[in-house]
Amino acid sequence: GAVVSQHPSWVICKSGTSVKIECRSLDFQATTMFWYRQFPKQSLMLMATSNEGSKATYEQGVEKDKFLINHASLTLSTLTVTSAHPEDSSFYICSARNLGTSGYNEQFFGPGTRLTVL
Amino acid sequence: TQLLEQSPQFLSIQEGENLTVYCNSSSVFSSLQWYRQEPGEGPVLLVTVVTGGEVKKLKRLTFQFGDARKDSSLHITAAQPGDTGLYLCAGLRQGGKLIFGQGTELSVKP
Repeated sequence: GAVVSQHPSWVICKSGTSVKIECRSLDFQATTMFWYRQFPKQSLMLMATSNEGSKATYEQGVEKDKFLINHASLTLSTLTVTSAHPEDSSFYICSARNLGTSGYNEQFFGPGTRLTVL
Repeated sequence: TQLLEQSPQFLSIQEGENLTVYCNSSSVFSSLQWYRQEPGEGPVLLVTVVTGGEVKKLKRLTFQFGDARKDSSLHITAAQPGDTGLYLCAGLRQGGKLIFGQGTELSVKP
């Protein structure tokens, strides 16, 4: 099956610092990756769509200057949380889109990254 | 505005009971997916339904897509403690975006 990894799995940082999270598709190429944020006991909220070789598309209400996305290759997308603050503490999850054998798009999710900003 | 309304949001049952989770929308989706998520992990895809009226079975789980492709249900027969987790429905929108429901936190007690 399609495997997506994230690194790190958890990170604790001081307020004001920047944190980079990596998302990799291990056994397939993903032209599109998605970044989600999930607060405790809540569902996933789409933050942005990351397309290889082009600028990311952000959902309404998501600050593009705060959440920098780089999709440099077909297997890697990165999310950098700049000048992190405690309210940015959350579970960040990426997914990679793979055209499944059934012919329709399927997204495979990474294991998530727990960010805690002190 | 929540495009996908999922209910119930919390469900606590005894082992052996049956349950149904509903996912409703006023929008039409080209496909709808069901995921299961455990704490501290990413969602894992259970099934994708594409055709209106489609029914798919995965062991004790039965998934149904409404005729109009606006709603779906997940039915679990004879629930087991291992079924405990967060169940999420997600509809596929233009551009490959997935729109998630609020999720159903299921607890199955032995």
